[in-house]
Amino acid sequence: EVQLVESGGDLVQPGGSLRLSCVASGFIFSGYWMHWVRQAPGTGLVWVSRIKSDGSSTNYADSVRGRFTISRDNAKNTLYLQMNSLRAEDTAFYFCVRTIGYRIDSWGQGTLVTVSS
Amino acid sequence: QSALTQPASVSGSPGQSITISCTGTSSDVGGYNYVSWYQQHPGQAPKLMIYDVTNRPSGVSDRFSGSKSGNTASLTISGLQAEDEADYYCSSYTSSSTLFVFGTGTRLTVL
Repeated sequence: EVQLVESGGDLVQPGGSLRLSCVASGFIFSGYWMHWVRQAPGTGLVWVSRIKSDGSSTNYADSVRGRFTISRDNAKNTLYLQMNSLRAEDTAFYFCVRTIGYRIDSWGQGTLVTVSS
Repeated sequence: QSALTQPASVSGSPGQSITISCTGTSSDVGGYNYVSWYQQHPGQAPKLMIYDVTNRPSGVSDRFSGSKSGNTASLTISGLQAEDEADYYCSSYTSSSTLFVFGTGTRLTVL
């Protein structure tokens, strides 16, 4: 069974930093593109970033480019999201997801990031 | 890149059919057959219901079907059941720097 378990969400002040982690199990992690998707409470889904299976290529939404960095450690089956210069509008649940082709076939349960003073 | 446009809410009675639309542009929905649909119950992670416009993942009821015409994709749910009540989101690959875009979301109420 595919499992994605996020952690690292917390309350952080504007301008602060946070690193999210996602531990994957139940599949060959190194064989898949992985992404982060976020959802502010009570609102819709927004794609944040993706990383190629071997970590050699990354992409970002315009709203986070230059502030967020996606990475992975295939030896540890773990996906990361380093978030710097956090803003109030970054407040959201952050989901770690796996894609096959252009579809998200597996989701984690999400970790909540709250940016507030 | 703006979100794809969905109706905020739709409703139907048990046994009826409903259709949720998802309107984009030629840079996303109209340009690629990479439209997916996700179901999200309150407090839960989304679940893939349709991918590549018309395909159903294993385990998803055949009451769910997808289609596309021009820049608008649609999700149809036939034989509505109480457990179908949820939020539904479409998504598409896009040629913009965003790469993936989601719809605004539709709240389905089963009366």
